[in-house]
Amino acid sequence: EDKVVQSPLSLVVHEGDTVTLNCSYEVTNFRSLLWYKQEKKAPTFLFMLTSSGIEKKSGRLSSILDKKELFSILNITATQTGDSAVYLCAVEPILYGNKLVFGAGTILRVKS
Amino acid sequence: EAQVTQNPRYLITVTGKKLTVTCSQNMNHEYMSWYRQDPGLGLRQIYYSMNVEVTDKGDVPEGYKVSRKEKRNFPLILESPSPNQTSLYFCASSKGYGSSYNEQFFGPGTRLTVL
Repeated sequence: EDKVVQSPLSLVVHEGDTVTLNCSYEVTNFRSLLWYKQEKKAPTFLFMLTSSGIEKKSGRLSSILDKKELFSILNITATQTGDSAVYLCAVEPILYGNKLVFGAGTILRVKS
Repeated sequence: EAQVTQNPRYLITVTGKKLTVTCSQNMNHEYMSWYRQDPGLGLRQIYYSMNVEVTDKGDVPEGYKVSRKEKRNFPLILESPSPNQTSLYFCASSKGYGSSYNEQFFGPGTRLTVL
């Protein structure tokens, strides 16, 4: 059964801290891994990773995938209160059209 | 503005009373999907559709129906809702499938409570 596990489940940091969110997966015929940010509404897309070892970067956020060890990390540097959200990791198996298998998410709270 | 819309946004209903949650996208996307989100379980796929008249079950299809008669619309139907279907529901769409097209755009969510 395809599975995505995120850790930690939640964390609280202070503004300016750097955080690392983890996502490990077991999936049949991996195609891609995606990160989403969810505030009090719909998830919004952050990154899609398909190749191992290539970092994707957008401002203070970056992510990298390790296909050998089956995990990805999402880094946020110089955190701000606006980064407070649930961060969702999802993987796409090749076999099932556009199915995404989501992890339970990491709740991040950034205190000022 | 490119978007996915859902209606209603909030719904409280009683067991057994049939309901439909509508979903519409204006991006001419081929692929649409329904998810439910429950605490500690993340998003789980209910049904998906790869094009008009093409639908298939996701991970948790029991108790739900869908239809895809037009490309833009993908309604979710609960014929006889039960309390275990109380959840937050998201509709999503993407251009197609495969890595280049898999960015899914999510609707604002529908919070359903079944008493």
